Amino acid sequence: TQLLEQSPQFLSIQEGENLTVYCNSSSVFSSLQWYRQEPGEGPVLLVTVVTGGEVKKLKRLTFQFGDARKDSSLHITAAQPGDTGLYLCAGGDNQGGKLIFGQGTELSVKP
Amino acid sequence: DSGVTQTPKHLITATGQRVTLRCSPRSGDLSVYWYQQSLDQGLQFLIQYYNGEERAKGNILERFSAQQFPDLHSELNLSSLELGDSALYFCASSFQYFSYEQYFGPGTRLTVT
Repeated sequence: TQLLEQSPQFLSIQEGENLTVYCNSSSVFSSLQWYRQEPGEGPVLLVTVVTGGEVKKLKRLTFQFGDARKDSSLHITAAQPGDTGLYLCAGGDNQGGKLIFGQGTELSVKP
Repeated sequence: DSGVTQTPKHLITATGQRVTLRCSPRSGDLSVYWYQQSLDQGLQFLIQYYNGEERAKGNILERFSAQQFPDLHSELNLSSLELGDSALYFCASSFQYFSYEQYFGPGTRLTVT
């Protein structure tokens, strides 16, 4: 069974700080997705990483896929209160479009 | 706004009852996925339909069933409800059969009392 483990589970920081969230697995994934979810809403797709070693940037967010395609990280530079939310990594199970989700990282950015 | 719609937004019902959750995918999307999100289990895949046919199944309980209609909307039926079925239920959609880039609806919060 493929599993994705995220760390940390909770993160509370001050505005302007940098942070990194990790998503790890013992299994190889063809791609990994990062989603952000706000309370009472559905997850919103942020990025897909496909190639081992790939780095993608989305404004102040930097996503990296591990060389072996077993892990990924999300780095936020100069966090803002608007970044507050639940960050989820997800990978495909190779069964149709079944996505396996990590348990999430709850980020709180205080002004 | 992802373009995926779900109704109702909230549902409160009693144990033993049956409910139907509805999902309309983004315009042009052929795949519909259902997920359950609870505090202890996180986001769990339930089932996928592509163009009306079941394509993948997760740990979906036998009390739960789904279908996708010719107009591509989907319904998730939950019967003999138990307290533990209380959760957020999300529908997602994608154009392709095999796509991990899925677009989620706002969810239905089910409370079983």
